[in-house]
Amino acid sequence: NSKVIQTPRYLVKGQGQKAKMRCIPEKGHPVVFWYQQNKNNEFKFLINFQNQEVLQQIDMTEKRFSAECPSNSPCSLEIQSSEAGDSALYLCASSLQGQAPLFGEGTRLSVL
Amino acid sequence: QQQVRQSPQSLTVWEGETAILNCSYEDSTFDYFPWYWQFPRESPALLIAIRPVSNKKEDGRFTIFFNKREKKLSLHITDSQPGDSATYFCAASVDTNAYKVIFGKGTHLHVLP
Repeated sequence: NSKVIQTPRYLVKGQGQKAKMRCIPEKGHPVVFWYQQNKNNEFKFLINFQNQEVLQQIDMTEKRFSAECPSNSPCSLEIQSSEAGDSALYLCASSLQGQAPLFGEGTRLSVL
Repeated sequence: QQQVRQSPQSLTVWEGETAILNCSYEDSTFDYFPWYWQFPRESPALLIAIRPVSNKKEDGRFTIFFNKREKKLSLHITDSQPGDSATYFCAASVDTNAYKVIFGKGTHLHVLP
């Protein structure tokens, strides 16, 4: 009964292709997170937002990842040029301030 | 540098036994500790959470014991059921620090019937 909606559930891309996934946070939740979960179940924090503004993000030195959370539109995470190592489950979560994040069902990305 | 550590990596118990999952952390500014469980092919779901003002939090068969001095906490699952078989993640955050939530690597629990 997750109320964080992520689309698509599955995404298959070739190396070098763009991969874009979307997230609609729980209504009323001002904070949105993106995590990458690898095949070993390890979480990697990517970025979070509060009311459309970036709070923290990892050092995306490759600049292949970008994310935004515009008002009145779904949040999105985009990989500009997919690599095999990007294959993972991408989890969006939202929360009230000081509360545990509520996760969506995730987008499973496979880069062939 | 792993800020949240979990042990054991994998745990097997019989139905009806108590499973004990351990978690420790390094940053003394962490002040909120949610636990999540994740079933295969599903996303993590919040199970139970505790703040350092308490040293114990109970919800049915699930209890968190918290030791602030040692920076350790544990999740006890009493009367374990096969349906409890999942991966359990301990997480930590600082309320006032931009809401970043750090996850441990998880404990994979098997409950045998």
